[in-house]
Amino acid sequence: GAVVSQHPSRVICKSGTSVKIECRSLDFQATTMFWYRQFPKQSLMLMATSNEGSKATYEQGVEKDKFLINHASLTLSTLTVTSAHPEDSSFYICSAPEAGKNTEAFFGQGTRLTVV
Amino acid sequence: DAKTTQPPSMDCAEGRAANLPCNHSTISGNEYVYWYRQIHSQGPQYIIHGLKNNETNEMASLIITEDRKSSTLILPHATLRDTAVYYCIVRGVQTGANNLFFGTGTRLTVIP
Repeated sequence: GAVVSQHPSRVICKSGTSVKIECRSLDFQATTMFWYRQFPKQSLMLMATSNEGSKATYEQGVEKDKFLINHASLTLSTLTVTSAHPEDSSFYICSAPEAGKNTEAFFGQGTRLTVV
Repeated sequence: DAKTTQPPSMDCAEGRAANLPCNHSTISGNEYVYWYRQIHSQGPQYIIHGLKNNETNEMASLIITEDRKSSTLILPHATLRDTAVYYCIVRGVQTGANNLFFGTGTRLTVIP
């Protein structure tokens, strides 16, 4: 199946700093990518939809100024957690369906963010 | 999208078939049933999906009841590597695999 690569897999940062997470579709183009967040022992929660060449759409309760999303190309979306705080510590996961096909979504391996 | 109900946890002996049920009594005619699984600290992995007919691939079989109100994911010969949380998701044909909403899933533990 298609591959979605997420980087970094693990990051520790100091409170108040910003962290950028990359999500790449390696062998297909994705006009849309999705960002999820998963707290310990909880299910995945959709945060936002990243749209190539346009603004991202955010789920209710997700601060767009805190979680900056950029989808500048058909193979790359980035999520920047700005001014991170310990409560932002979580597992962040991206997914992408292949452009023009929506029968299955391919997920990245996830990024474990720890804010200290 | 139709809501799904799954048991929170199940055990299965290694080498035996694992049968994971899912209820989706409010499913509509144009909604697919998707199954994903998430192994600890990894991203979810697509397993299978179906609309009306039973489906089989190299990973699993999906049995959908005739009234489509429930389905069962079957892992024919469970291995220790199949220990994961399994999610049953119902999605419209148009929406498909876009912005999936995950419930709590079933935590399957395969026992040696």
